[in-house]
Amino acid sequence: DSGVTQTPKHLITATGQRVTLRCSPRSGDLSVYWYQQSLDQGLQFLIQYYNGEERAKGNILERFSAQQFPDLHSELNLSSLELGDSALYFCASSDTGSGNTIYFGEGSWLTVV
Amino acid sequence: TQLLEQSPQFLSIQEGENLTVYCNSSSVFSSLQWYRQEPGEGPVLLVTVVTGGEVKKLKRLTFQFGDARKDSSLHITAAQPGDTGLYLCAGKGYSGAGSYQLTFGKGTKLSVIP
Repeated sequence: DSGVTQTPKHLITATGQRVTLRCSPRSGDLSVYWYQQSLDQGLQFLIQYYNGEERAKGNILERFSAQQFPDLHSELNLSSLELGDSALYFCASSDTGSGNTIYFGEGSWLTVV
Repeated sequence: TQLLEQSPQFLSIQEGENLTVYCNSSSVFSSLQWYRQEPGEGPVLLVTVVTGGEVKKLKRLTFQFGDARKDSSLHITAAQPGDTGLYLCAGKGYSGAGSYQLTFGKGTKLSVIP
């Protein structure tokens, strides 16, 4: 158990819909990262937050957004969903913004039908 | 964009055999990490190598960072079924504004057959 909690574990939704994935980082970790893992693209970095502020942005689509709340939990919002958005979405956390050691949650499986 | 190529993509071997997987890039990284991911779980960090030429051992696993800090290898001696999983390498590079980013390879899926 990494200490990073993600909900929901599985989600099936229709194209065009919007979903929210939730992440609670390890106790004391200030930095949260979101990654997308698909068979063809591998593990892709989406976005990083540090203590409530956006720190780095990766290959995140404009239809996707994230935020980190004062209690340090984070949410990833995915809207206007397409079939190609079906993937495993991971949240990870680290104690600092430099990400020397990051701990991954178990992921949220999103299937868009 | 920094890219990491891992090879082979898939590897199926008998228990007791040795194997090496590779992680290559044209970019220089400040450090390189290896993770193992099992089905239904997130990646778990195995090791971080920082210095060019560095070698680290973790029981039957030997990790090496290339002299130029662009590539790395993972060697497993006498593989066990418990070694089965997806092995990911990740290079840490500076992405600007005081921020570092991990770039992951697509992974090597290892199956060790009893």
